[in-house]
Amino acid sequence: EIVLTQSPGTLSLSPGERATLSCRASQSVTSHSLAWYHQKPGQPPRLLIYGASNRATGIPDRFSGGGSGTDFTLTISRLEPEDFAVYYCQQSSTFGPGTKVEIK
Amino acid sequence: EVQLVESGGGLVQPGGSLRLSCGASGFLFGGYWMSWVRQAPGRGPEWVAHIRDDGSTSTHVESVRGRFIISRDNAKNSLYLQMNNLRAEDTAVYYCAREIVGGLVDLDYWGQGTLVTVSS
Repeated sequence: EIVLTQSPGTLSLSPGERATLSCRASQSVTSHSLAWYHQKPGQPPRLLIYGASNRATGIPDRFSGGGSGTDFTLTISRLEPEDFAVYYCQQSSTFGPGTKVEIK
Repeated sequence: EVQLVESGGGLVQPGGSLRLSCGASGFLFGGYWMSWVRQAPGRGPEWVAHIRDDGSTSTHVESVRGRFIISRDNAKNSLYLQMNNLRAEDTAVYYCAREIVGGLVDLDYWGQGTLVTVSS
């Protein structure tokens, strides 16, 4: 069973700053099964990236995904107020523990 | 507009049963794999089960295997989750979601969820 580790646990940044979130898998995974979501309180998760680097419908281009093998990254080029949330990576049926992006 | 609306949640005693439903609209329901995902209070999401677009194949996470059954009725644009022998640890918000790429559990549309509470 694949285990996903996300770092950091919490990221404190200001609007306009760049955010880099990491997702590490316990063994090599296929890029086409790696996805990223964010979730705000009281809402379901929202798909941001699938296939490691493909933006989902309606997702702005400040969000980008990359990586391969065991190491994947979600980058938010310039944080907007609505981007402060919890971010989860997912490999097939396994979700990571999440990274909280909070306002500094 | 794609919409997914869950129903059927509630309070149930340990060992009891519930059947969740998810009504779909705004897309060709029979053309997509569908999933159930749950989220316990204060925890991250946990994938529960998914079912092929034609209903011929399904997979369940080990923790619910033998107790939960996912099914669908494409004529009614509906997805179901029959939950039996419920345990306290099954308490969660249950979401239905559409898979953007069948079988890969990349979930592009989610419902708002229905709360299941297992308690005596």
